[in-house]
Amino acid sequence: GESVGLHLPTLSVQEGDNSIINCAYSNSASDYFIWYKQESGKGPQFIIDIRSNMDKRQGQRVTVLLNKTVKHLSLQIAATQPGDSAVYFCAESRSGNTPLVFGKGTRLSVIA
Amino acid sequence: DAGVIQSPRHEVTEMGQEVTLRCKPISGHDYLFWYRQTMMRGLELLIYFNNNVPIDDSGMPEDRFSAKMPNASFSTLKIQPSEPRDSAVYFCASSFGQTNQPQHFGDGTRLSIL
Repeated sequence: GESVGLHLPTLSVQEGDNSIINCAYSNSASDYFIWYKQESGKGPQFIIDIRSNMDKRQGQRVTVLLNKTVKHLSLQIAATQPGDSAVYFCAESRSGNTPLVFGKGTRLSVIA
Repeated sequence: DAGVIQSPRHEVTEMGQEVTLRCKPISGHDYLFWYRQTMMRGLELLIYFNNNVPIDDSGMPEDRFSAKMPNASFSTLKIQPSEPRDSAVYFCASSFGQTNQPQHFGDGTRLSIL
């Protein structure tokens, strides 16, 4: 029979618009957060990270926002391009020198 | 600089056969991680090493899975005997310093067990 896979949330964005990808985390002890981009046939690629002593961090065309009060993380991509089409993962690290725990991912589809 | 290098990129074999996946981490990185990615379960951490020593192997699914890191520049993940449910993409990643640092991933080995 047909296997049932993960149903990834999908975000469709027009080329040139801004994209916002959201992620919720559950552990208030998490103190390090990271976003990855995974293109088809490739491994996850590091985009940007943020530590819990910050609320915002900016990179090239990307901004990560951290709201510790509601345990929410977002990735904003400015002027989205077709090359941004990929699956985006957030990951968190819980304090105590533990490794990253990955979310299920969001598929970003850019419409040209 | 070379990133994390995995081999082979693709492996197709029959069930019952031994499978060995290989990884060369980024030079100077002291943490190495093995992950498995499937549609059903997403990205799962199998095991990780610090300075060539296994730290946590609680994610290794069964005794059929084993991992070694004989030196700082090489690690293997072995499945013996392999089963169809082991079919997945296996990733190796490495990082420098504490575990709450960016991990850098290889492009994975796509494993198909017939």
